Amino acid sequence: GAVVSQHPSRVICKSGTSVKIECRSLDFQATTMFWYRQFPKQSLMLMATSNEGSKATYEQGVEKDKFLINHASLTLSTLTVTSAHPEDSSFYICSASRSGYGNEQFFGPGTRLTVL
Amino acid sequence: GQQLNQSPQSMFIQEGEDVSMNCTSSSIFNTWLWYKQDPGEGPVLLIALYKAGELTSNGRLTAQFGITRKDSFLNISASIPSDVGIYFCAGQKDSGGSNYKLTFGKGTLLTVNP
Repeated sequence: GAVVSQHPSRVICKSGTSVKIECRSLDFQATTMFWYRQFPKQSLMLMATSNEGSKATYEQGVEKDKFLINHASLTLSTLTVTSAHPEDSSFYICSASRSGYGNEQFFGPGTRLTVL
Repeated sequence: GQQLNQSPQSMFIQEGEDVSMNCTSSSIFNTWLWYKQDPGEGPVLLIALYKAGELTSNGRLTAQFGITRKDSFLNISASIPSDVGIYFCAGQKDSGGSNYKLTFGKGTLLTVNP
């Protein structure tokens, strides 16, 4: 149990376009989902925390108007990178925690975004 | 954002050798976690530590939660080629509305020569 999926696994887009990444909890209800960004050979950096039905909480330095997060249901959160630029190229990873099961986060497999 | 100090940054060892890596922080965490990440994948939880001083094993892995709650170490015994990957420590604070955010170390890249 506690499987988290992401779609797509890889995406290549042109500069200036927007890209949507989906994060789904497949076999549990995720009250909270987290979005991380990981640049090559670096650690995971938390971008935002998303609670179902409410606005996401962004970490300092993360532009909320550029990285739009929607958590409309207990099994789905989306991250939209708006007007993507080459510097947004990164590995985006989501995680989900489930109500009543403590504070463990279950991670998705990640989405590799390349902006040309 | 804050990061944990994780060392060593990389390790090259022979199959069968033991490995040790550690993390330190200037602040206290209520939970310490150790993850392994394979290339192009998300991190997978190896061990979770919830109490200061706790020593926990998971197969060939052993991890300890420092008594000051500011550090943790991970040991891997009798390494095998599939242990190759990046190991991350992570600290978690439980402060009510924080939603249990994780702070990650910079990672230890482990290479095991067969």
